[in-house]
Amino acid sequence: GEDVEQSLFLSVREGDSSVINCTYTDSSSTYLYWYKQEPGAGLQLLTYIFSNMDMKQDQRLTVLLNKKDKHLSLRIADTQTGDSAIYFCAESIRNDMRFGAGTRLTVKP
Amino acid sequence: DVKVTQSSRYLVKRTGEKVFLECVQDMDHENMFWYRQDPGLGLRLIYFSYDVKMKEKGDIPEGYSVSREKKERFSLILESASTNQTSMYLCASSFFGTGSNTGELFFGEGSRLTVL
Repeated sequence: GEDVEQSLFLSVREGDSSVINCTYTDSSSTYLYWYKQEPGAGLQLLTYIFSNMDMKQDQRLTVLLNKKDKHLSLRIADTQTGDSAIYFCAESIRNDMRFGAGTRLTVKP
Repeated sequence: DVKVTQSSRYLVKRTGEKVFLECVQDMDHENMFWYRQDPGLGLRLIYFSYDVKMKEKGDIPEGYSVSREKKERFSLILESASTNQTSMYLCASSFFGTGSNTGELFFGEGSRLTVL
């Protein structure tokens, strides 16, 4: 089947903004999610957006949703070394959740 | 807080051995899931369960089976481990249906299995 796609690597300098992009597959997805995985740990929900929204802001995080292009992005402002992790985009399809391959964000001091 | 606990963080097994991975959640979630995570491939669903004694195949069920005898516990079984099953295994749980909840998955910390 079709995949949720995202780039595998992103490297930024501390204090810069990070933008992680994702394309998803199902226009009927109710929610779209960003999960964060720190080294040696499971995934934790970072933020989510309901499909009838275009944007959601939560402190340093901004999620943009373009339903026409099935494009989701996560912007992290003032990126810190503690933001270094793998970020997964996911879409809900009925009772299933489909994940991208994950973007490894590296923050250089 | 929701807690999903996986019994073993690290396991080393030999080819042909039977392997049990246990997962317990404490939030009375109906749904439970087993994923495997491999570099560059993301998370791939092995099996999931919507209720006790109920199971559904995910995208890559071959070589695996599951058991859900109690609502809080979901076990992943490798009947005869092979080297290509070396991976990180993640258990997750969620409420059933969308309703007023967001469908968020709650993950355990993972079990890293090495098959020699």
